[in-house]
Amino acid sequence: GENVEQHPSTLSVQEGDSAVIKCTYSDSASNYFPWYKQELGKGPQLIIDIRSNVGEKKDQRIAVTLNKTAKHFSLHITETQPEDSAVYFCAATENTGFQKLVFGTGTRLLVSP
Amino acid sequence: NAGVTQTPKFQVLKTGQSMTLQCAQDMNHNSMYWYRQDPGMGLRLIYYSASEGTTDKGEVPNGYNVSRLNKREFSLRLESAAPSQTSVYFCASSKAGVNEQFFGPGTRLTVL
Repeated sequence: GENVEQHPSTLSVQEGDSAVIKCTYSDSASNYFPWYKQELGKGPQLIIDIRSNVGEKKDQRIAVTLNKTAKHFSLHITETQPEDSAVYFCAATENTGFQKLVFGTGTRLLVSP
Repeated sequence: NAGVTQTPKFQVLKTGQSMTLQCAQDMNHNSMYWYRQDPGMGLRLIYYSASEGTTDKGEVPNGYNVSRLNKREFSLRLESAAPSQTSVYFCASSKAGVNEQFFGPGTRLTVL
């Protein structure tokens, strides 16, 4: 089955800096890669996703890149703000119409003012 | 819309006790899921229901049972709780043909 590894487990940056979180996956059949943000005391919320036919996707200050050959994908946050502080999870699945997401272990991002 | 709701928010059980975690969604979603979240292990799928009337095992189903009561409700039952089941439990739902999963606020369960 699919296995997703995520690094780093914690990341501290200064406000305004960029943050990068990386994930690798094992199943070459996986073709859908979402990123979820979990704020303290809440459930995860989808912030961006990418499919295997796309190499990069941007949404304002966040972007995701995918390298299918190397089986890794990354989340990039530019101009970080204190409200970006949260736990971020990557996930992967073979999108066959119904998704069984396999999540990474999470990255705790702390943005200091 | 309330989205995905879960009850209770917190629960403490003794080893061997049973309980049912409730989940409901008002978004008319077809698919529903139960996850557990443990420190350093991310979210792991316990059971899922692709559509009303069907349920299937996920990655970590041992010690749990589920019921898809109707399209809105999906419950998770612990028949004989064990300390290893201490965790935060999340319910989620998704619309057919749409990838995004919507999560509830979670239930924090402690088994002593």
